[in-house]
Amino acid sequence: ELKVEQNPLFLSMQEGKNYTIYCNYSTTSDRLYWYRQDPGKSLESLFVLLSNGAVKQEGRLMASLDTKARLSTLHITAAVHDLSATYFCAVISGANSKLTFGKGITLSVRP
Amino acid sequence: KAGVTQTPRYLIKTRGQQVTLSCSPISGHRSVSWYQQTPGQGLQFLFEYFSETQRNKGNFPGRFSGRQFSNSRSEMNVSTLELGDSALYLCASSFQGAPEQYFGPGTRLTVT
Repeated sequence: ELKVEQNPLFLSMQEGKNYTIYCNYSTTSDRLYWYRQDPGKSLESLFVLLSNGAVKQEGRLMASLDTKARLSTLHITAAVHDLSATYFCAVISGANSKLTFGKGITLSVRP
Repeated sequence: KAGVTQTPRYLIKTRGQQVTLSCSPISGHRSVSWYQQTPGQGLQFLFEYFSETQRNKGNFPGRFSGRQFSNSRSEMNVSTLELGDSALYLCASSFQGAPEQYFGPGTRLTVT
């Protein structure tokens, strides 16, 4: 059974500093996704990583994928308040569309 | 292009009742997946439909069912509602062969 683990589950960040959050998964995966969720809202797609070594960047967020280590990282550069949200990673294994999600990491940016 | 739409957005039901939720995918998308989100269990996959056929099913009891119509719109039904069914129900659509999945705004179901 595919399992996805995220850590830490909660991270208090100081504005302006850099942070990295992690997503581990248990079996071979074809695709890894990062989503953002604001309180009471739906999931907003951030990144889709499709191959080993894939790196994608959008604004202050950069995601990378190491399929050999079964690990994805989301790096946050110079955190700002607008990044406060819960971030989920999800994995698809096999030829289907079933996403297996981690528990999510709640980021809170303080001044 | 319009995004994924879900109706209704909010719903309050009583234990024992049944409920039907609707999802309209992005135009051209034929795959629709449903997820349940609760504080305790997180995001869990319910089922996936493609071209009116259920392609994949999660570990939910038979009270949870779904279908997809020829226009790719999908409905999910929950019968004999229980308090634990209170959740945010999300649907996602995708284009065949493309990796991106786009989520709708969700339906928040409260069972009292």
